[in-house]
Amino acid sequence: EVQLVESGGGVVRPGGSLRLSCAASGFTFDDYGMSWVRQAPGKGLEWVSGINWNGGSTGYADSVKGRFTISRDNAKNSLYLQMNSLRAEDTALYHCASSGAEWELALWGQGTLVTVSS
Amino acid sequence: QSVLTQPPSASGTPGQRVTISCSGSSSNIGSNTVNWYQQLPGTAPKLLIYSNNQRPSGVPDRFSGSKSGTSASLAISGLQSEDEADYYCAAWDDSLNGGVFGGGTKLTVL
Repeated sequence: EVQLVESGGGVVRPGGSLRLSCAASGFTFDDYGMSWVRQAPGKGLEWVSGINWNGGSTGYADSVKGRFTISRDNAKNSLYLQMNSLRAEDTALYHCASSGAEWELALWGQGTLVTVSS
Repeated sequence: QSVLTQPPSASGTPGQRVTISCSGSSSNIGSNTVNWYQQLPGTAPKLLIYSNNQRPSGVPDRFSGSKSGTSASLAISGLQSEDEADYYCAAWDDSLNGGVFGGGTKLTVL
């Protein structure tokens, strides 16, 4: 089955860190760029970060630049998001998604919830 | 404040045709293709339209997309109750060097 499954979310205090993972299956993972997209409770979608097929090119939203790091391990069919210096405004459901040539996000995971609270 | 501007809500009755607009700028819609996503309540977003007007396999032809200049629109014809969802436009932004979404439009089928 073609799918993406996120994990690693949880409750963390402001200033803390979390590492999210996204496991891909059912397709050739290293054929695709990947993105993280988040959705705060009751809010819209926000692109967080993206990475190309071999990890050689990455990008970040201004809101997370310098705090978050995206990476991938094609041997393990996995995508990661290291989140440091977390803030209350980072509270959201984090989805990973596969990116096509026109940045179309064709496959989405169900998301993992990150809550930043003291 | 989202980079792409969508109306917060839209509505229609079953069988009607509704359109949802998406306004951007020269650095996003004006330079790159537009994608549309449908998010049903409690589920992950689903790609509905890509490359301005292409439908992925399995998306009914009731859904169509178009783009002109720095604006785009999503049209839904023959509206059905199961179309009640949030709809988002998205595009790459060359100035931000990142992806941008519209704020989303909540479609209500009356």
